[in-house]
Amino acid sequence: DTGVSQDPRHKITKRGQNVTFRCDPISEHNRLYWYRQTLGQGPEFLTYFQNEAQLEKSRLLSDRFSAERPKGSFSTLEIQRTEQGDSAMYLCASSLRKRGTNNEQFFGPGTRLTVL
Amino acid sequence: DAKTTQPPSMDCAEGRAANLPCNHSTISGNEYVYWYRQIHSQGPQYIIHGLKNNETNEMASLIITEDRKSSTLILPHATLRDTAVYYCIVRVAGYGGATNKLIFGTGTLLAVQP
Repeated sequence: DTGVSQDPRHKITKRGQNVTFRCDPISEHNRLYWYRQTLGQGPEFLTYFQNEAQLEKSRLLSDRFSAERPKGSFSTLEIQRTEQGDSAMYLCASSLRKRGTNNEQFFGPGTRLTVL
Repeated sequence: DAKTTQPPSMDCAEGRAANLPCNHSTISGNEYVYWYRQIHSQGPQYIIHGLKNNETNEMASLIITEDRKSSTLILPHATLRDTAVYYCIVRVAGYGGATNKLIFGTGTLLAVQP
């Protein structure tokens, strides 16, 4: 257990439905990242926050995806009008941006999304 | 795109050393080499990182060539629990590094055999 939690662990939904995932980072970590991983591939970067500010978004993050980190603590990732191609593992990671640290990222267990 | 090249798979006998190679011929002077691993159905786990000197911690050793174009992760006494996909990543590290996002390739699947 890295201290990063994600909820739910598994989600099955029908095409066209909206889904929302939650990530709770390690409490003192000021950076939070979302990645997506499909079968047989390494994780792909989606977006990241420093405190409550969303500072970078990947081109993979289409208009149907939105992420928030309203108080600089937990984060949510919402997918609207899900498509079968959205089926993947969604991973959250957090890190501490501070001088003298490794800035290593600690990953949660992921949320596995299946779109039928 | 990932800036590293790794073999897709390797086998290792339990109790023996596992040596996982990585090529990063285009690495920049301010980029570190990071290693993560991902055990089936879990999130990636940080192992070790280095700039140009060899590094060792409780999990592994990292050997970086003098020209920094390649490196080797060494698990000194592999166990069955070390079976995982191992990712070699190069990125700017530390306080000044941009987003510090990780760009993963497809990694090396290490299968430790009993």
